[in-house]
Amino acid sequence: DTGVSQNPRHKITKRGQNVTFRCDPISEHNRLYWYRQTLGQGPEFLTYFQNEAQLEKSRLLSDRFSAERPKGSFSTLEIQRTEQGDSAMYLCASVPLSGTNEQFFGPGTRLTVL
Amino acid sequence: SQQGEEDPQALSIQEGENATMNCSYKTSINNLQWYRQNSGRGLVHLILIRSNEREKHSGRLRVTLDTSKKSSSLLITASRAADTASYFCAIFSGSARQLTFGSGTQLTVLP
Repeated sequence: DTGVSQNPRHKITKRGQNVTFRCDPISEHNRLYWYRQTLGQGPEFLTYFQNEAQLEKSRLLSDRFSAERPKGSFSTLEIQRTEQGDSAMYLCASVPLSGTNEQFFGPGTRLTVL
Repeated sequence: SQQGEEDPQALSIQEGENATMNCSYKTSINNLQWYRQNSGRGLVHLILIRSNEREKHSGRLRVTLDTSKKSSSLLITASRAADTASYFCAIFSGSARQLTFGSGTQLTVLP
């Protein structure tokens, strides 16, 4: 499978715990995006990387959120001290450097904070 | 806040009918894209229209863009039960290098 993969697909955690999600993009894609989606809404931009550089972060990305893409390949999104409001679907998308910014999405990680 | 706003929020039609969804936005755009999302899954890119284009076709999909009105429409012809999904428009304004999604239209096609 050469598409975007995300792990885990589902995560249930207790409030206050830390969680980490992983995204493996399409191998030749340079840009990687993270989005958050709540029920009945469209995805909201969180941050994006071009290769290993994090070029933009949304103000939605509080200091409890951190993302990395250490070697310009896979990326991780960590949420520290989770809150119930963090419950959402976290989506990753990858994009080739050249082109129109058509995004290739992974299946998402569903986070539930109890 | 989300730039694109879809209308209607929900649409229910019979198989074989056409479905039309509309999207309005506020800023200038480089291109506008439509995505589909099946329940609990990731999004799939459907079609892209550039700011200098007015209409585009792909199979049973037809997209129009009116930059003077800052609006776009997606037409799905001869709908099928498998077209049941949420449909989102997303604008790419170039300078921000990110997509801004609307809140989506939930389409239900009844067999």
